[in-house]
This record gives sequence, C-alpha cells and structure tokens, in this order.
Amino acid sequence: AQSVTQLGSHVSVSEGALVLLRCNYSSSVPPYLFWYVQYPNQGLQLLLKYTSAATLVKGINGFEAEFKKSETSFHLTKPSAHMSDAAEYFCAVSVSQAGTALIFGKGTTLSVSS
Amino acid sequence: DAGVIQSPRHEVTEMGQEVTLRCKPISGHDYLFWYRQTMMRGLELLIYFNNNVPIDDSGMPEDRFSAKMPNASFSTLKIQPSEPRDSAVYFCASRGQGAVAFFGQGTRLTVV
Repeated sequence: AQSVTQLGSHVSVSEGALVLLRCNYSSSVPPYLFWYVQYPNQGLQLLLKYTSAATLVKGINGFEAEFKKSETSFHLTKPSAHMSDAAEYFCAVSVSQAGTALIFGKGTTLSVSS
Repeated sequence: DAGVIQSPRHEVTEMGQEVTLRCKPISGHDYLFWYRQTMMRGLELLIYFNNNVPIDDSGMPEDRFSAKMPNASFSTLKIQPSEPRDSAVYFCASRGQGAVAFFGQGTRLTVV
C-alpha cells in the first residue's frame, strides 16, 4: 500500500523567502508523485509531477521538487515566495501501473507575509 | 474542454434527507474518482471507477453511501440518509491514460 506524510501542517514564510514543503512517501513499487495546490473554495490544481523521468521536476509558478529515492522524499521548493502562493498544498502518490488512485497527504497550509 | 464539472456547488440539507452529488468527467477520461475532504481527515478516497465499473469502494464509509456511473459522462454519489457528520467537501476527479487526475470544483455539503 502507498502512503504520504507531509511534515508540518502549517508553514509561514516572508515574501521573497525560500519555500520548502516536505513530503515523504511509502510505496512498495516505483511511485508516481504529485504536488497539487488548492486555493480557497476551489478544487485541486496540479503543480508538478514525477513519473520516473528526471528526478528534478519543474512545475508551474516557479515551483520545483526533487525525487530522492534513498530518502523516500519529494519536497517542494520555490526560491522566492510571493503573496499569491498562499494556499494549501497536497503531496500525492500513486503506483506506476494503471488502475490505481492518488493517495494524498494531509496537506500543508502555506502563509506568506509581507 | 470545460474540465470536470460537479453539481451542485453547495448543498444544505436536513439530517435524514437523501443527497445526490453529480459529476461529469472530462470527455475521453476512463477513470473517475470520488474524494471527501474534511479538516480532520484531509482528502479521503471514497471510490473509483474504470470504464464505468467500480474498482475499489473500500473508502466508502458506510452503507448509507453509494456511487454509480451509468455511462462514461456521468457519475453520482448518493447519501441516504444523510447525517451531520457527512458534512464535507466532496470532489470528483477524472484521469485519462496519463497519470494526472483533474479535479472538479467540489460540492460543499452541509447537513443540519
């Protein structure tokens, strides 16, 4: 079975500071990994995905994540936070073969202060 | 494409009433997922379909919950009878042959 752990339910940064949201996964087979973002009263939007190609993945809005198999991690980073990045972020895992659903972490709320 | 469409966006109902949530997946997608989001439990997978056939319903909390997918363009999630603890945001998502799932805007259900 697969699972995801997001460390820190709430992260606060200043505008312009580095954003680091942590995600560790558990999977018995090679995983697909995702980061989604949710703005208030909206659905989830894909930020980026890892599907066994390059381990450093670039997404939308300047975000990127690095797949580290040895650490079973897929942390999300952005060099410089913007006020508009304030949202809830979800890490998710699925297995590489077809026929499975995304399993989500509990989410991390990112606050950005000016 | 208009994306995944859910209706209604908001639903307020009294305890004991039947509630039906609706979802239209993206055309051509053969997987459909129902998730529930609450503060306490986060995003939980309730059930998912492949080619209109339920594959895994182990996340459906009780027999009061049922889901159907009569055709490739429509799915329903029904709660009968509804209870206050069912209050949550319910999301539908669909996926094609790629790995990415696309989510609807959700239905916010309040049971009073």
